[in-house]
Amino acid sequence: GAVVSQHPSWVICKSGTSVKIECRSLDFQATTMFWYRQFPKQSLMLMATSNEGSKATYEQGVEKDKFLINHASLTLSTLTVTSAHPEDSSFYICSARGLAGVGDNEQFFGPGTRLTVL
Amino acid sequence: AQSVAQPEDQVNVAEGNPLTVKCTYSVSGNPYLFWYVQYPNRGLQFLLKYITGDNLVKGSYGFEAEFNKSQTSFHLKKPSALVSDSALYFCAVRGLRRALTFGSGTRLQVQP
Repeated sequence: GAVVSQHPSWVICKSGTSVKIECRSLDFQATTMFWYRQFPKQSLMLMATSNEGSKATYEQGVEKDKFLINHASLTLSTLTVTSAHPEDSSFYICSARGLAGVGDNEQFFGPGTRLTVL
Repeated sequence: AQSVAQPEDQVNVAEGNPLTVKCTYSVSGNPYLFWYVQYPNRGLQFLLKYITGDNLVKGSYGFEAEFNKSQTSFHLKKPSALVSDSALYFCAVRGLRRALTFGSGTRLQVQP
């Protein structure tokens, strides 16, 4: 089956620093990748949608300059949390949608990255 | 805009008993509906989906879901619960750009 990985699986950083999270589709090419965040005991909220080679589309209320998304290839998207603050602490989950014919065009989710900002 | 509601924060069931986790949806047009399961500190695992066709959808791990258009519901069911089914369950509907809108989640607790 289609596998999506995330790295790192968890990260602790100091307030004011930037953190980069990688999302990779391991055995398929992903035309679109989605980034979600999940607060403790809450649901997943879509942050942005990224298509390879183009700018990400951010959901209302998500700061573009704070959450930088790069989708440089069909297998890799990165989310950079810039100048992180404690309120950015969350569980970040990516998903990838394959080219036509891969997984019936559905999304495959990564295992998530837990970010803790001190 | 589409939305999904999961009215129960938690469902408790004894092992071996049938379980139901409720979900209702609101969309314009035909709904594309999904169920995912999440274990602690893990990503989401796909259980099943409804796109079109038979209203009873069978999925992974013995789960199934019944699509009811008149009641706009997509309840998740399993005939006989296992302790290992204890997890957080999310109902979702596909929206713009194929992104998913998730319900608030229902924690399933199966007691031995």
